[in-house]
Amino acid sequence: DVKVTQSSRYLVKRTGEKVFLECVQDMDHENMFWYRQDPGLGLRLIYFSYDVKMKEKGDIPEGYSVSREKKERFSLILESASTNQTSMYLCASSTRSRGLDEQFFGPGTRLTVL
Amino acid sequence: AQSVAQPEDQVNVAEGNPLTVKCTYSVSGNPYLFWYVQYPNRGLQFLLKYITGDNLVKGSYGFEAEFNKSQTSFHLKKPSALVSDSALYFCAVRTPPSGGSYIPTFGRGTSLIVHP
Repeated sequence: DVKVTQSSRYLVKRTGEKVFLECVQDMDHENMFWYRQDPGLGLRLIYFSYDVKMKEKGDIPEGYSVSREKKERFSLILESASTNQTSMYLCASSTRSRGLDEQFFGPGTRLTVL
Repeated sequence: AQSVAQPEDQVNVAEGNPLTVKCTYSVSGNPYLFWYVQYPNRGLQFLLKYITGDNLVKGSYGFEAEFNKSQTSFHLKKPSALVSDSALYFCAVRTPPSGGSYIPTFGRGTSLIVHP
């Protein structure tokens, strides 16, 4: 069974802390994504990676950075957490193989910044 | 540019009745269309997709969706709703990889509530 795992389901951090959210997929997918989900706003793309060490900014990259040193792992970094980054964070992966276009999502990390 | 609209924030239906969750899209070229479901405190799960071919697509848990090119719609349907179908549903669109992007655009989601 294909899987995308995220390092934490729930996380509580303080304002100003550096926060690492880890995502691992076991499907050998080329593409990986980080979204945040807020009520009424749907999913908003933070960053996208289409290959190791490659990244592209999404719709809301400010205050975030990412790292992809290995194909299976995509990390989201909050350099200095702020209360407006309290949200649900979802990681996803997909392949470029034709006909297999859907995304596979992790269970999400609910981050609270105090 | 590509966009998706889910015009209803919430859909209420009685158990056993048919359900429809609406989605319209805007995209240059041929669309790839997707439906995902999210149960409480979970990530999104893929339900079904339209890439090409038959306009009626069947997916998981008895759901189906109809691609209508003239109306630029991709509504999600089920003939008989179950209480366990209550969840948040997301429609997504993207363009084909060649000349396009692997990044889909999601709608804001529709909360489906099935009453016993």
